[in-house]
Amino acid sequence: QKEVEQNSGPLSVPEGAIASLNCTYSDRGSQSFFWYRQYSGKSPELIMFIYSNGDKEDGRFTAQLNKASQYVSLLIRDSQPSDSATYLCAVIPGGTSYGKLTFGQGTILTVHP
Amino acid sequence: DAGVIQSPRHEVTEMGQEVTLRCKPISGHNSLFWYRQTMMRGLELLIYFNNNVPIDDSGMPEDRFSAKMPNASFSTLKIQPSEPRDSAVYFCASSTRGQPQHFGDGTRLSIL
Repeated sequence: QKEVEQNSGPLSVPEGAIASLNCTYSDRGSQSFFWYRQYSGKSPELIMFIYSNGDKEDGRFTAQLNKASQYVSLLIRDSQPSDSATYLCAVIPGGTSYGKLTFGQGTILTVHP
Repeated sequence: DAGVIQSPRHEVTEMGQEVTLRCKPISGHNSLFWYRQTMMRGLELLIYFNNNVPIDDSGMPEDRFSAKMPNASFSTLKIQPSEPRDSAVYFCASSTRGQPQHFGDGTRLSIL
């Protein structure tokens, strides 16, 4: 079992719809969770982080964390074609220090007009 | 503030040559990470430093790869000798305690 798993997609949604991206992790002691967006040919860019159970909202983005289910998700409301990118889920596993991240393989999101 | 700065942006060289990739972390960040990204394997952590000291190099693929951080503002990743399978995008990222990592623009490496 991979430490961080994502559906590789591609996930295709129409413009204006809600895109839902999901991630599961294997280390129950994990404390910090991140979503990075990566456009083709570019570097990963941090868009959300969440540390506590529940929801965290930032503009059109909402991160949801359920530690009991070892599940973290990212919702993108009113999806735009400019949201088309690969979304990487990243976790700091329990017991690690210095901010070492474990990344999932990424989900490719396509928002079509 | 300047972000993480990597050089060169692109490198094309022949098999067997030495390759040196460079990284300047964000000022004040005390952790530095080197990653490699390929289509097949995704984003892989190669090595990371804290306060200029290598903490975990278990991701370094083999002895041909080495990394140094002589001071808080500079790190290198060296491949000697290089092989075609080393072709990838290499990212450097930095962070400070409790904060997320920020990535440089990467070096696209092609070994012919």
